[in-house]
Amino acid sequence: AQSVTQLGSHVSVSEGALVLLRCNYSSSVPPYLFWYVQYPNQGLQLLLKYTSAATLVKGINGFEAEFKKSETSFHLTKPSAHMSDAAEYFCAVRGDNNDMRFGAGTRLTVKP
Amino acid sequence: DAGVTQSPTHLIKTRGQHVTLRCSPISGHKSVSWYQQVLGQGPQFIFQYYEKEERGRGNFPDRFSARQFPNYSSELNVNALLLGDSALYLCASSLLVGTDTQYFGPGTRLTVL
Repeated sequence: AQSVTQLGSHVSVSEGALVLLRCNYSSSVPPYLFWYVQYPNQGLQLLLKYTSAATLVKGINGFEAEFKKSETSFHLTKPSAHMSDAAEYFCAVRGDNNDMRFGAGTRLTVKP
Repeated sequence: DAGVTQSPTHLIKTRGQHVTLRCSPISGHKSVSWYQQVLGQGPQFIFQYYEKEERGRGNFPDRFSARQFPNYSSELNVNALLLGDSALYLCASSLLVGTDTQYFGPGTRLTVL
């Protein structure tokens, strides 16, 4: 069965610093992986997705993620954090029940 | 184009009551999925519908039911509400099922007192 684990429930960075949010997956088949962002009191917005076309995936708002099969990882990065990046980030994998299976989330705080 | 819309935005109910939540998918999308997000957790899958047929069901009790209409909109019904049903209920739409990307609505915040 497919699942994801997000490492770190809370990440704090300074404005302008590198953002690194970690996600590891478990899947017996080639996975379809996603990163979503959720701002307070809002729904989920798709940042990027991996569907086996390319291992480095570029998304919106300057985010990107690299699929590493050897490490079963799909970490999300952004070279320079902005205050507006403060939000909850969710890694997800497509399940075999036509569902999306989400991690517990990582709350990103950006300090001025 | 309009995104996924959900109504109502907020809802307060008491234990034992029932509730109906509504979702309209992105125009042209034929699949709708429902998720429950308890505070501080990731969303949990409840149902997926495609072309008015149930295509997937998560691990939720029979108090939860859903349906999809000919115009692809959907309703989620929850009977005999419990305090633990308090959550943000998210609807997502996709063009098809399977590997297609799901786009989420803003959610309905349900509070059960």
